[in-house]
Amino acid sequence: DAGITQSPRHKVTETGTPVTLRCHQTENHRYMYWYRQDPGHGLRLIHYSYGVKDTDKGEVSDGYSVSRSKTEDFLLTLESATSSQTSVYFCAIRDPSGGDTGELFFGEGSRLTVL
Amino acid sequence: GQNIDQPTEMTATEGAIVQINCTYQTSGFNGLFWYQQHAGEAPTFLSYNVLDGLEEKGRFSSFLSRSKGYSYLLLKELQMKDSASYLCAVWDSNYQLIWGAGTKLIIKP
Repeated sequence: DAGITQSPRHKVTETGTPVTLRCHQTENHRYMYWYRQDPGHGLRLIHYSYGVKDTDKGEVSDGYSVSRSKTEDFLLTLESATSSQTSVYFCAIRDPSGGDTGELFFGEGSRLTVL
Repeated sequence: GQNIDQPTEMTATEGAIVQINCTYQTSGFNGLFWYQQHAGEAPTFLSYNVLDGLEEKGRFSSFLSRSKGYSYLLLKELQMKDSASYLCAVWDSNYQLIWGAGTKLIIKP
């Protein structure tokens, strides 16, 4: 199994507070992704990174920021949480080199509830 | 726009065969993935198709027709543990993954 962990796994917070989710990998993969998953929707990409300090926006990036100062860590920050950001957040990694198909490996997910 | 369609829910009987369809309209195509996701867990990789045809992997097979924008996942000899959501995803021309909403498969004894 790919070494990828997320923290916290569960969090309840109040509207207007900042929240940071952490994704940590031990695979030394270049590509890291943050997705959110909501009922009735497919996984939706928030932000992604293709290397240290190289990040880009996904389709639902408003209200979110990311940072990647080390290969192994990718942080997702909600500057001021809103109820619409209540969701399950998944981090994923991908190794674009080598003989694999380029599939994503996912962390266990972080369930965030904004009251 | 880009779109992936798959049925919301399907029901099948233990020991039977079920086919889950996926149709896609994307800007370009660089491959199609199927993932399995048990309730409360992370998605896990099942299969990848980039050329037309059938890929078989044990009880699971995945088919692709690029000209029709169509794929299916075939599950044989269904087991109760196959109860899960099955997610279809397409790599577009920019190697961004476009995801379907998933098909919830319910297996009955």
